[in-house]
Amino acid sequence: EIVLTQSPGTLSLSPGDRATLSCRASQSVSSSYLAWYQQEPGQAPRLLIYGASSRATGIPDRFSGSGSGTDFTLTISRLEPEDFAVYYCQQYGSLWTFGQGTKVEIK
Amino acid sequence: EVQLVESGGGLVQPGGSLRLSCAASGFTFSGYSMNWVRQAPEKGLEWVSYISSSSSTIYYADSVKGRFTISRDNAKNSLYLQMNSLRAEDTAVYYCAKGGWGVATGPLDYWGQGTLVTVSS
Repeated sequence: EIVLTQSPGTLSLSPGDRATLSCRASQSVSSSYLAWYQQEPGQAPRLLIYGASSRATGIPDRFSGSGSGTDFTLTISRLEPEDFAVYYCQQYGSLWTFGQGTKVEIK
Repeated sequence: EVQLVESGGGLVQPGGSLRLSCAASGFTFSGYSMNWVRQAPEKGLEWVSYISSSSSTIYYADSVKGRFTISRDNAKNSLYLQMNSLRAEDTAVYYCAKGGWGVATGPLDYWGQGTLVTVSS
């Protein structure tokens, strides 16, 4: 089983700041089958990024993904009020596993 | 518009059974794989089970293998999860989520709002 470790656990930032979230896999993720999801309180997760760097339908371009192999990054270029939420990475190259999540909170 | 609506959650005693349903609309249900994902209270996401478009390929997480059964009825645009021998640690919100085309592995691009399962005496 591929284990995904996200860091940091919590990110305290202000609107307008840049957010950088990390996801590290215990073994290489095949074909960059790595996705990122956003979850707001009480809501279902929403797909943001798939294939490590492709934005899902309707996702603003302030969200970007990068990385390959075992190291992946989600960047939010300028935080909007609605971006304060929990973010999960997920690999789907070997069944499916999720990271434990990073909470982006208002500083 | 893609819609996934789960139902069937509730309170059940340890050792009991429950059947979850997910009604799909807004896309060609018979062409896509489907998944169940759960989230325990105040915890992260855990993938539970996968079924390919024709039901030919099925996978389970080790935590539910032998107790849960995933199935689908493409004529009714519906996905199911039969949960037996339920334990306290199965308490969670259960989401159905749309996967890739056919048997393809893929990201989960649409999710339902979830149904809460509580296992307690």
